[in-house]
Amino acid sequence: SQQGEEDPQALSIQEGENATMNCSYKTSINNLQWYRQNSGRGLVHLILIRSNEREKHSGRLRVTLDTSKKSSSLLITASRAADTASYFCATRSGGTSYGKLTFGQGTILTVHP
Amino acid sequence: NAGVTQTPKFQVLKTGQSMTLQCAQDMNHNSMYWYRQDPGMGLRLIYYSASEGTTDKGEVPNGYNVSRLNKREFSLRLESAAPSQTSVYFCASSDLGQRTYGYTFGSGTRLTVV
Repeated sequence: SQQGEEDPQALSIQEGENATMNCSYKTSINNLQWYRQNSGRGLVHLILIRSNEREKHSGRLRVTLDTSKKSSSLLITASRAADTASYFCATRSGGTSYGKLTFGQGTILTVHP
Repeated sequence: NAGVTQTPKFQVLKTGQSMTLQCAQDMNHNSMYWYRQDPGMGLRLIYYSASEGTTDKGEVPNGYNVSRLNKREFSLRLESAAPSQTSVYFCASSDLGQRTYGYTFGSGTRLTVV
């Protein structure tokens, strides 16, 4: 079964607006990661946040993690048409040394020019 | 360019045929993974190899076998393909424990079993 569940399943916005995607998970984690997938391509790693971190920034990306609620959010500020893609959260459970990730079902983001 | 290379990119098989999906990485990563991606299902782990010489089952291993040929290469074999194995297959690699960088993915193999 999937560890992470993303919300919403699909998001449509205008260029310049902010996009927020949420991820919930079920078991304790070591870290949580976000990936982007453009149509017909492989996934690209965006950002990793560890279980002892609450917020992390990378360029126009902001990720928050609330381990008490077992949830994370990805904020993309000032969205561009090139941000159109599917976004996946992935969790690495604690206590393992080999880094096996469990992925959610993804959020499809469409940014209209 | 450094990364993960998958071959072939597309394949059509008849039910019962066999094939091997190839994956190679040149980043000196210890761990490698095979996932399948189906609409509405996200990515599901088929098999992984934590380090050279070891392989373990993931969430959906039935109907598949793997070989970690060396540190660079990790192949996925379908012995007798079934229509339920129609999917997009992704290989990925990471450093042990992926402390910082997460996975690097290949571009995928789109497999259709008829």
